[in-house]
Amino acid sequence: GAVVSQHPSRVICKSGTSVKIECRSLDFQATTMFWYRQFPKKSLMLMATSNEGSKATYEQGVEKDKFLINHASLTLSTLTVTSAHPEDSSFYICSANEQAFGTKYNEQFFGPGTRLTVL
Amino acid sequence: DAKTTQPPSMDCAEGRAANLPCNHSTISGNEYVYWYRQIHSQGPQYIIHGLKNNETNEMASLIITEDRKSSTLILPHATLRDTAVYYCIVQYQKVTFGTGTKLQVIP
Repeated sequence: GAVVSQHPSRVICKSGTSVKIECRSLDFQATTMFWYRQFPKKSLMLMATSNEGSKATYEQGVEKDKFLINHASLTLSTLTVTSAHPEDSSFYICSANEQAFGTKYNEQFFGPGTRLTVL
Repeated sequence: DAKTTQPPSMDCAEGRAANLPCNHSTISGNEYVYWYRQIHSQGPQYIIHGLKNNETNEMASLIITEDRKSSTLILPHATLRDTAVYYCIVQYQKVTFGTGTKLQVIP
């Protein structure tokens, strides 16, 4: 199956700094990527939908100025957590959508996640 | 909001079949049923999907009721490595996760 990578896998930063997380589709082109966050023992919460070449669509309650998303190419989307605070500490997961040829459904592939800890 | 309902937890003896149910009574005609699982601190892993017919692959079988309002994921011979949270999702475009079922495979 298709592979999605994330970098870094783990990051620790000081409060007030910005952190960039990359999501790459390695062997397919992804017109749409999704960003999730997950708190301990909780389910994944969709943050935003990232479309190549256009502005991201954010879910209700997610601050777009806090979580900047850029989808500059068909294989790369980035999430920047600006002015990070301890409450932003979480597990961030991306996924990429691949339109399966000749079908009406969209196969979605998930990255391994990035563990962000803000001190 | 998630469109599926799953039991919060289940136990299964190693080597036995694990049957994980899911209700999706509001599923629409163009939505597929997908199953993913998440092992601790990893990204979700795709298991299987279907529209209305039963499906089988090397990992599992998916049984979808005729009215499509519920489905069952079957792991035919559960192993300890199958211990994970299993998510049933109805999907057309974006994926919204519910709370899933925490499956514990017991030796």
